[in-house]
Amino acid sequence: SQQGEEDPQALSIQEGENATMNCSYKTSINNLQWYRQNSGRGLVHLILIRSNEREKHSGRLRVTLDTSKKSSSLLITASRAADTASYFCATFGANSKLTFGKGITLSVRP
Amino acid sequence: GAVVSQHPSWVICKSGTSVKIECRSLDFQATTMFWYRQFPKQSLMLMATSNEGSKATYEQGVEKDKFLINHASLTLSTLTVTSAHPEDSSFYICSSFSGLALHTQYFGPGTRLTVL
Repeated sequence: SQQGEEDPQALSIQEGENATMNCSYKTSINNLQWYRQNSGRGLVHLILIRSNEREKHSGRLRVTLDTSKKSSSLLITASRAADTASYFCATFGANSKLTFGKGITLSVRP
Repeated sequence: GAVVSQHPSWVICKSGTSVKIECRSLDFQATTMFWYRQFPKQSLMLMATSNEGSKATYEQGVEKDKFLINHASLTLSTLTVTSAHPEDSSFYICSSFSGLALHTQYFGPGTRLTVL
């Protein structure tokens, strides 16, 4: 069953702008992860944030986690055309499984 | 990072035939591998957890006799779609934990199955 729900479902921005994607989930988690999927390809792990962390950075990525609201956000700064992809949040819980959201389609216009 | 490969990358088969998809961990040993399926523009749905040397654990609603999983070695898991039908057409992706990065899964590139 799906746990994460991302919004928006689709996002189109101009190159150089920032992209913010949100994810909400329902049950308690051990950590939350964000993945990227280029069309017709496998998933690439972007960043992991633990339940006791509130914010994490990795290069142009910034992820936040609010466990009280059961939500997370992924910010991509200074977006590039190569960032065009689908982005998924996934929660890792006590069942030791990753549960994925529906995904967000990001289009970055050159 | 850890590398997971899948073969074939795409396959087209006739209805009623069986198709085998291989998932290999190239630079690490994978005691556990996961099989997902993904329909167009949708999320990944976990089908089963494959454990080396033991039976796979299937998610609710996934037919174990339809989707046969074999994890005979620490680097290879196979998914066989038996008596495939057009509704089995999907994108199948495997993944595994490498052990180096706790809780991070490394995904194969996926296999596109089209059943005519």
